[in-house]
Amino acid sequence: QLQLQESGPGLVKPSETLSLICTVSGGSISSSGYYWGWIRQPPGKGLEWIGSIYYSGNTYYNPSLKNPVTISVDTSKNQFSLKLTSVTAADTAMFYCARGPARIRGFDIWGQGTMVTVSS
Amino acid sequence: DIQMTQSPSSLSVSVGDRVTITCRASQSISSYLNWYQQKPGKAPKLLIYAASSLQSGVPSRFSGSGSGTDFTLTISSLQPEDFATYYCQQSYSTPMYTFGQGTKLEIK
Repeated sequence: QLQLQESGPGLVKPSETLSLICTVSGGSISSSGYYWGWIRQPPGKGLEWIGSIYYSGNTYYNPSLKNPVTISVDTSKNQFSLKLTSVTAADTAMFYCARGPARIRGFDIWGQGTMVTVSS
Repeated sequence: DIQMTQSPSSLSVSVGDRVTITCRASQSISSYLNWYQQKPGKAPKLLIYAASSLQSGVPSRFSGSGSGTDFTLTISSLQPEDFATYYCQQSYSTPMYTFGQGTKLEIK
């Protein structure tokens, strides 16, 4: 059974880079027909799609985000990662990684989420 | 950008009620609309994809309908475990997605 697990620092200073890793177990991140995405949720608020990477390596980012974002994949470790630069307190959120089958055009398997606080 | 607007933002309901949640897109999105359920402290769970297709393992009391700009999620008979927040998500501009702001079901 496929599982996703987010990992990374729970506290990041303002202006620094937020870096998270999503480890995929129970299946290959290189399987065709899947996107691998990052979604965040500020405390008490709704969901915001950050970006996705396709199994082929193509990346897609939310154009509404103010900060530069980079999503990359490490097939040797069955992981994909998120880098969000120049963070501010407004970037404080629960961050989820998720699998997105192309046929569903959404996310069917999610990690449990990791809380990241931006504070000095 | 495609904007998604859900109504109502919250709803006070009782076990056994028939519940309908609405999601409206700022432009036509055909049937590219998904619904998720999120319980406190948990990740969202996919309920419905492509407007009306039930995700595997989801109880049949959940159903979705609509196309174009107007969509509904219906719970035919609310169960205690259904108290949660529900989100719609457009996938017309896949893989660039937008979520609605959420609808919270509260106990009356």
